[in-house]
Amino acid sequence: AQSVSQHNHHVILSEAASLELGCNYSYGGTVNLFWYVQYPGQHLQLLLKYFSGDPLVKGIKGFEAEFIKSKFSFNLRKPSVQWSDTAEYFCAGEKTSYDKVIFGPGTSLSVIP
Amino acid sequence: GAGVSQTPSNKVTEKGKYVELRCDPISGHTALYWYRQSLGQGPEFLIYFQGTGAADDSGLPNDRFFAVRPEGSVSTLKIQRTERGDSAVYLCASSLRRAGEQFFGPGTRLTVL
Repeated sequence: AQSVSQHNHHVILSEAASLELGCNYSYGGTVNLFWYVQYPGQHLQLLLKYFSGDPLVKGIKGFEAEFIKSKFSFNLRKPSVQWSDTAEYFCAGEKTSYDKVIFGPGTSLSVIP
Repeated sequence: GAGVSQTPSNKVTEKGKYVELRCDPISGHTALYWYRQSLGQGPEFLIYFQGTGAADDSGLPNDRFFAVRPEGSVSTLKIQRTERGDSAVYLCASSLRRAGEQFFGPGTRLTVL
């Protein structure tokens, strides 16, 4: 069955530390990949997406993710986190021929001032 | 109000009762999705509408769950004979087209006592 896994359930970082959240997907073939973020008390919102082309994708608020097909990975990175990045982060994927979007279990990020 | 709206925001019901959850998508978005999110997990796909028709209902857990979108805009998720295990946040999302960026609503928190 298709699945998306996230390496960390809860990450705690100090401000200015670098962030990398792991994501792996089990799809074969061509895929669309996403990172969504949910700030406390807010809706899920799209952080960035990969559909095709440059495997290094830049999103909002300084986030980026790299699609590595050979590793079935789509890790999220940010060089220097801020307290306002405290949120729940979800990786998600779908086959481009349309299949339902599958979300990972989420990683809770806490940034300590 | 250009975002996806969901009503009610909270619903408490008793085991065995019937509930309806409503989703108002962004105007002009043809695709509409329902997800269920349990505590500590990512959103779980339930059903996808393209226009008025359910293009994929493979995520509905059983025949107690049903959803409609009669005019291709507002959608209602209906749950019959609710069970305690149905307690979760029910999320709605819409997108301009299939496989586009999904915009999420705030969710309805359903509690079955």
